Amino acid sequence: DVKVTQSSRYLVKRTGEKVFLECVQDMDHENMFWYRQDPGLGLRLIYFSYDVKMKEKGDIPEGYSVSREKKERFSLILESASTNQTSMYLCASIGTSRSYNEQFFGPGTRLTVL
Amino acid sequence: AQSVTQLGSHVSVSEGALVLLRCNYSSSVPPYLFWYVQYPNQGLQLLLKYTTGATLVKGINGFEAEFKKSETSFHLTKPSAHMSDAAEYFCAVAYTNAGKSTFGDGTTLTVKP
Repeated sequence: DVKVTQSSRYLVKRTGEKVFLECVQDMDHENMFWYRQDPGLGLRLIYFSYDVKMKEKGDIPEGYSVSREKKERFSLILESASTNQTSMYLCASIGTSRSYNEQFFGPGTRLTVL
Repeated sequence: AQSVTQLGSHVSVSEGALVLLRCNYSSSVPPYLFWYVQYPNQGLQLLLKYTTGATLVKGINGFEAEFKKSETSFHLTKPSAHMSDAAEYFCAVAYTNAGKSTFGDGTTLTVKP
């Protein structure tokens, strides 16, 4: 059974803290994505990665950075958390070995910044 | 830039009634189209997808969707709603294999007994 796991389901941090969200997939997928999900706004792409050490900005990268040192792991970093980063964060992965693959999602991390 | 519009942020139906969730996309290039479902406190899972070929696509849990190029639509339907269908549904479009997807804002489906 394919799996995308995220390090925490719920996280509470204080303003100004550095926050790490971890995502691991066991499908040997090349492409990985970080989204944030807010009510009425759907999913918005923060960053994505096509390969180890490769990253590209998505639609809302401000205030975030990412790291991909190993193929299976894609980390989202909030350098200095702010209250407007309170949100649900979803990680996804997709492989390139088959055509027309859908994205596989993790369960999400609900982050609250106080 | 491509966009996806889901008409109606909330849809309510009675158990046993037809479910119709609307999705339109903006593009002159035929896309790959997806419907995902999200149950409370869970990630998204794929319901169905259109890539090429037959325009009527069947998915899991009795859902189906029809790609209509002339209308740039990909509406999701189910003949008879079940209580377990209550969830949030997202339409998504992609233009490259294994590439980025653009998601709609989501439609919350409520099923009344």
